[in-house]
Amino acid sequence: AQSVAQPEDQVNVAEGNPLTVKCTYSVSGNPYLFWYVQYPNRGLQFLLKYITGDNLVKGSYGFEAEFNKSQTSFHLKKPSALVSDSALYFCAVRDDNAGNMLTFGGGTRLMVKP
Amino acid sequence: NAGVTQTPKFRILKIGQSMTLQCTQDMNHNYMYWYRQDPGMGLKLIYYSVGAGITDKGEVPNGYNVSRSTTEDFPLRLELAAPSQTSVYFCASSGTRLYEQYFGPGTRLTVT
Repeated sequence: AQSVAQPEDQVNVAEGNPLTVKCTYSVSGNPYLFWYVQYPNRGLQFLLKYITGDNLVKGSYGFEAEFNKSQTSFHLKKPSALVSDSALYFCAVRDDNAGNMLTFGGGTRLMVKP
Repeated sequence: NAGVTQTPKFRILKIGQSMTLQCTQDMNHNYMYWYRQDPGMGLKLIYYSVGAGITDKGEVPNGYNVSRSTTEDFPLRLELAAPSQTSVYFCASSGTRLYEQYFGPGTRLTVT
């Protein structure tokens, strides 16, 4: 079975500082990994994905994520946080042995303070 | 290009009532999904479809039904609504099973 964990319910960071939102996963086959962002009263928006290739993946709005196979992690990062980055972030994983289901983590609320 | 649209945005149901949540996508995606999001929780997959006429259960299918008669539409039917079905429902679509899903704006459902 595939699973994903986001160990932090909330991450607080000052504007201009780097941010990291953590994600670890468990799959039996090769992982396909995604990050989504959700603003209040909105649907999820795709940020970036790892399918194969370079371990460092760049996405929308200056976000990037690093795939680490040995640590089974896919942490989301941004060099300089903006107040407008404040939102709910979801990590998701699909196991290439597990058919069509995408499993989401519980979400991490990012609060960027001016 | 509207993407994924959902209606209604909000609905209040009484226990035992039924309703259909509508979902339409205009991206010609084969894959469509229904999720529910409970407060403070992640998304749980209710049903999904890999093409017109083909549907399958997700993680939490009980109390729901779906159909997929066209590529564009994937309605979710709630029969005999229960308070446990109070949630926000999201429809999503993707071009292939490997790639990112595009989400609709959601339907906030309250069952009292």
